[in-house]
Amino acid sequence: DTAVSQTPKYLVTQMGNDKSIKCEQNLGHDTMYWYKQDSKKFLKIMFSYNNKELIINETVPNRFSPKSPDKAHLNLHINSLELGDSAVYFCASSPGYNSPLHFGNGTRLTVT
Amino acid sequence: AQRVTQPEKLLSVFKGAPVELKCNYSYSGSPELFWYVQYSRQRLQLLLRHISRESIKGFTADLNKGETSFHLKKPFAQEEDSAMYYCALASGSARQLTFGSGTQLTVLP
Repeated sequence: DTAVSQTPKYLVTQMGNDKSIKCEQNLGHDTMYWYKQDSKKFLKIMFSYNNKELIINETVPNRFSPKSPDKAHLNLHINSLELGDSAVYFCASSPGYNSPLHFGNGTRLTVT
Repeated sequence: AQRVTQPEKLLSVFKGAPVELKCNYSYSGSPELFWYVQYSRQRLQLLLRHISRESIKGFTADLNKGETSFHLKKPFAQEEDSAMYYCALASGSARQLTFGSGTQLTVLP
């Protein structure tokens, strides 16, 4: 009964493909996030959703599109994958903006 | 704009030695700071937050507004403390987290 779960754990794909990463949380949290951790281990927020509504959309390419079918899920769809998209993507959730984040285990995306 | 700086990318100490992981921030508002830790092959998790003023696993961190710092300290490092540590600042109306670049701590036997 993992609190924040992401699938898949590893994703290897070729340039130009479209892929999705799924995230689900069973903590009843209202807010969910996507973070990107690059090869230098630097963590940067990509998106934040609160009750299915997009709150934060940092300067990420519009090839990245988050989708939140309900407040327990925040999926990340990536179109036309590029080599530079290779990274570890972390999903996280929190009860609210002033609360600590709970992270998933991450999805290691490798674009060849 | 807010910024979090962790000047040390790698830090090695011997078991039993004191350890300090540095974190400096720049933010015009009232800062809310956190330390997150990622042990090998585990998820990123909260270690502590400054408003709690607590000690977790022997670690403490004091917010110094004059020096704009939030250094993480432990008097006697243990091998199980080896991990990646991230300092983070919550800012803006949505309290989004800005992370530092992380410090990989290795505690040697």
